[in-house]
Amino acid sequence: GAGVSQSPSNKVTEKGKDVELRCDPISGHTALYWYRQRLGQGLEFLIYFQGNSAPDKSGLPSDRFSAERTGESVSTLTIQRTQQEDSAVYLCASSPTPVDTQYFGPGTRLTVL
Amino acid sequence: AQKITQTQPGMFVQEKEAVTLDCTYDTSDPSYGLFWYKQPSSGEMIFLIYQGSYDQQNATEGRYSLNFQKARKSANLVISASQLGDSAMYFCAMREGRDNYGQNFVFGPGTRLSVLP
Repeated sequence: GAGVSQSPSNKVTEKGKDVELRCDPISGHTALYWYRQRLGQGLEFLIYFQGNSAPDKSGLPSDRFSAERTGESVSTLTIQRTQQEDSAVYLCASSPTPVDTQYFGPGTRLTVL
Repeated sequence: AQKITQTQPGMFVQEKEAVTLDCTYDTSDPSYGLFWYKQPSSGEMIFLIYQGSYDQQNATEGRYSLNFQKARKSANLVISASQLGDSAMYFCAMREGRDNYGQNFVFGPGTRLSVLP
């Protein structure tokens, strides 16, 4: 079946603009995760959704970052008033349950000029 | 303190030889899971292998095996018969407790493996 998909694959924006990143998890996966990966670095946890429970937002770096997910479907990560330090690859992952392996999408490369 | 340590920023291995990528972890939770992911230059994260803290035997998946030494808190990845396509970043990750939620799932800084022809 289809894997996790993300769009756009690349996004270039100007400082101060808002951006919206999309993640389509694997069908039936209840858990969805967003991570940020700066160039040459490891993954930083941003936010976690599990079913209809309240999301775990403890990794969001500032109030400019927000994310939504409707049920067990698509999620969007929104970054308002982008800054140059937001430039990174944003990775989305999903898993069938919270204890299963996470499967990652190809990521969105965000460049803030 | 770092939860996951990968002490080798970069490794080289000759094609067809075996290579071990180191990973040590820190947790006081008796229930945890250890994962290895591969990230080629294309950027996607590919799941390789999983080891549960209560698993009695070391995990194996094809050419990948996990050398799990619980007392030493190490979970080294062994790749046998290296191939040119194995050149990538490799990340060790840990889930503390039973759930993947939030900060309970952490990644190490990664090791860049280069396979030489």
